[in-house]
Amino acid sequence: RKEVEQDPGPFNVPEGATVAFNCTYSNSASQSFFWYRQDCRKEPKLLMSVYSSGNEDGRFTAQLNRASQYISLLIRDSKLSDSATYLCAVTPFSGGYNKLIFGAGTRLAVHP
Amino acid sequence: DTAVSQTPKYLVTQMGNDKSIKCEQNLGHDTMYWYKQDSKKFLKIMFSYNNKELIINETVPNRFSPKSPDKAHLNLHINSLELGDSAVYFCASSQGRRSSYEQYFGPGTRLTVT
Repeated sequence: RKEVEQDPGPFNVPEGATVAFNCTYSNSASQSFFWYRQDCRKEPKLLMSVYSSGNEDGRFTAQLNRASQYISLLIRDSKLSDSATYLCAVTPFSGGYNKLIFGAGTRLAVHP
Repeated sequence: DTAVSQTPKYLVTQMGNDKSIKCEQNLGHDTMYWYKQDSKKFLKIMFSYNNKELIINETVPNRFSPKSPDKAHLNLHINSLELGDSAVYFCASSQGRRSSYEQYFGPGTRLTVT
């Protein structure tokens, strides 16, 4: 079983739609969680950190469920510019070094 | 005012050659990383340095040797290149070595071994 798993997609949604991605992790001692966005042939860019209480940044909401060991990303009112691959990343060690384990990414395609 | 920069952006070379990739960050961070993203887009950590000290060394062939001359620079030297080394190599940095610190990535170096 991979340490971090994501549905590869692609998710094809119309503009204005709400879309949600899930990411599961296998190590229950995982400490920190992030969502990154990667455009084609570009570097991953940090979208948001994921906190235990959940957090929101504009149209983006991230949630953490430690009991079920998954994190989620909700995108409301999708824009064409949201088309990208969304990578979840997990730091597997509690208080340990900053070693990010990435999922393989979920592709999102927003169409007019 | 690029935060994390890498050179070269593209590298095409033949099997058996030795090549280096350079990374610099101007964010004032003290921890830097090398990641490899293969053809299946899977991004995997290779090495990490904190204040010039190697702190993460994943299962990477010893043909790969990182070097950090100072905390703003991290280079990657690869000996005897193989076809399987073809990938995009990303450098990243963070302020501190703790797991909660966010990492920022450079633009990547696309290495093609023929």
